[in-house]
This record gives sequence, structure tokens and C-alpha cells, in this order.
Amino acid sequence: GAVVSQHPSRVICKSGTSVKIECRSLDFQATTMFWYRQFPKQSLMLMATSNEGSKATYEQGVEKDKFLINHASLTLSTLTVTSAHPEDSSFYICSARAELGSPLHFGNGTRLTVT
Amino acid sequence: GESVGLHLPTLSVQEGDNSIINCAYSNSASDYFIWYKQESGKGPQFIIDIRSNMDKRQGQRVTVLLNKTVKHLSLQIAATQPGDSAVYFCAPQPGNTPLVFGKGTRLSVIA
Repeated sequence: GAVVSQHPSRVICKSGTSVKIECRSLDFQATTMFWYRQFPKQSLMLMATSNEGSKATYEQGVEKDKFLINHASLTLSTLTVTSAHPEDSSFYICSARAELGSPLHFGNGTRLTVT
Repeated sequence: GESVGLHLPTLSVQEGDNSIINCAYSNSASDYFIWYKQESGKGPQFIIDIRSNMDKRQGQRVTVLLNKTVKHLSLQIAATQPGDSAVYFCAPQPGNTPLVFGKGTRLSVIA
């Protein structure tokens, strides 16, 4: 089945630094990937849609200059949290689907802690 | 976007009993529905899906029922096990749009 891999699984960084999270589709190509954020005891909230070869589409309220998305290949999208602050501490999850009309498959998430 | 609600935020069941998790959706144009299971600290995991031309689909220990008339889905888990403890989300998935998740239902299995 379709597998989405996310790295790192956990990261701790100091306030003001930047963190890059990678999302890979291992056995399929994904022209579109989706990035979600999840705070404790809450549901997943869509942050942005990552489009291969073009600019990402951000949801309302998500700062594009703070959450940089790069989708340079059909199997890799990256999310960079720039100048991270403690309030950015969250669980970030990416997803992709192998083909139109098939289920979204999710990575195992990245737990970001900003100190 | 899709508005998805879940009838019960939490559900506790005895090990071995059957579990039923309900879900309501608002967009009558939704034609494809997926149930996900999310264990603590992990990403959502695909459980089962159903298309709108069906009203029932069975998997291993799980059954999804779809009632398009009242825009309602349910996930039935037979002989619930401790490993079934998780948060369950239903999600309509139209085309290539991203999923919008509701709050989910937390299933707790009592041994």
C-alpha cells in the first residue's frame, strides 16, 4: 500500500531557530501533498496544500512566510518552520494520495518542541 | 468546506464488546468517505472506505454503514480489543481536495 514517510519524528529547537520537516511518498508519486498541524487533544487542522513545481496554497490564518513549503520533486515536500517560537510547538503531519480518488495516506508526524 | 460532526466525543466499551462510532456530514455531494484511526503520537491510519453507491462495506472486524438520506456514517468494530483504543475520524474525500477533519471520537477499551 501507499506509504508516506516523515522525518524527523521528534525535534527540539531553541526559539528563533528554523526547523525543516521532510515528507516523502515512498512507493508512489504525489503531485500534491497536504500539511496538517495538531495541538494536544484537538483535531488535525489543514495548514497548506503543497503542489509540485508551484507555490503552495495556504489556509486562512497560516503565515506563508513562517511556514515555508517546498515541493521540488514528485516524492518530496518539505515544511520549514522559520524563526520558531514556543507557540509553534505542535504535531505536524503530512499526507498524500497515490492517485485521484484514492485515500489520503499520512506520515507518522513530527513532534516539534520549541524551547 | 465540508462540515463534519461526530455524535459522541468519547466512547468507552468493554473488551470483547462491539463498538459503534457515528459520524454526520453536511455536504450531500460527498461521494467517498474514509474512516481513519489515530493512535497517540502517530499519524492517522486508513481503516476502511466506502463510496456513495454502496450502503455497507465490511473489512476485517470493521463495518462501515452509509445512510445518504440522513447524511450519516457509522463505523462498527466487532469484538473490540485494547489495541482499538484510539481517536477515530470520518472524512468525506471529494476529488483531490484535502480532508477536513472533525473532532473525532476517542474510543477507550476497558479490559
